[in-house]
Amino acid sequence: QVTLRESGPPLVKPTQTLTLTCTFSGFSLNTRGMCVSWIRQPPGKALEWLARVDWDDDKYYNTSLKTRLTISKDTSKHQVVLTMTNMDPVDTATYYCAREKGDDVGVYHFDYWGQGTLVTVSS
Amino acid sequence: DIQMTQSPSSLSASVGDRVTITCRASQSISTSLNWYQQKPGKAPNLLIHAASSLQGGVPSRFSGSGSGTDFTLTISSLQPEDFATFYCQQSYITPFTFGPGTKVDIK
Repeated sequence: QVTLRESGPPLVKPTQTLTLTCTFSGFSLNTRGMCVSWIRQPPGKALEWLARVDWDDDKYYNTSLKTRLTISKDTSKHQVVLTMTNMDPVDTATYYCAREKGDDVGVYHFDYWGQGTLVTVSS
Repeated sequence: DIQMTQSPSSLSASVGDRVTITCRASQSISTSLNWYQQKPGKAPNLLIHAASSLQGGVPSRFSGSGSGTDFTLTISSLQPEDFATFYCQQSYITPFTFGPGTKVDIK
């Protein structure tokens, strides 16, 4: 059974650095084709993809946020960590981690999601 | 980055209606297009991957079609549990991008 769970502070101050942890079970990030992504959703708004780490430790980032984001994995702990620097009130959102895998034709999709964690940026 | 658009942004429909949602990519993405359903307060749920492949456990009233830049999600007979917001997402190339969503509510 695949599960993912996000954890992190519910409240951060402007300019602070946010650190979020995704703890997963039911699959290995050492398995070829497995990836984990972070996706966020401001209240009442659309989904926004943030970053991805692959089984071979390749990393990919949102173009407009890449200078602020760092994604890393610890396969022994079954965790993926996302840090976002210089937080601003516009970064207030629910942050999700999701498993990503390729299908038979090589199209990657998010097949399992965590429940999400709401992060509010306010002084 | 590839931009994704959806139409309509919202629609009202009745139980039993056939519903069609359109998604367009700013450049060709072959069939690297996924559809998700999101209910209030919940994480998105994968419905369709690779444009037309039904995810396991998803009812057969959901179907997807298209390739290149134009895609469609169809619900053949809307059920009460289907009222939600639907998002398309391209996985052709990073950075991955989502459409703005289509909210389906009760007429």
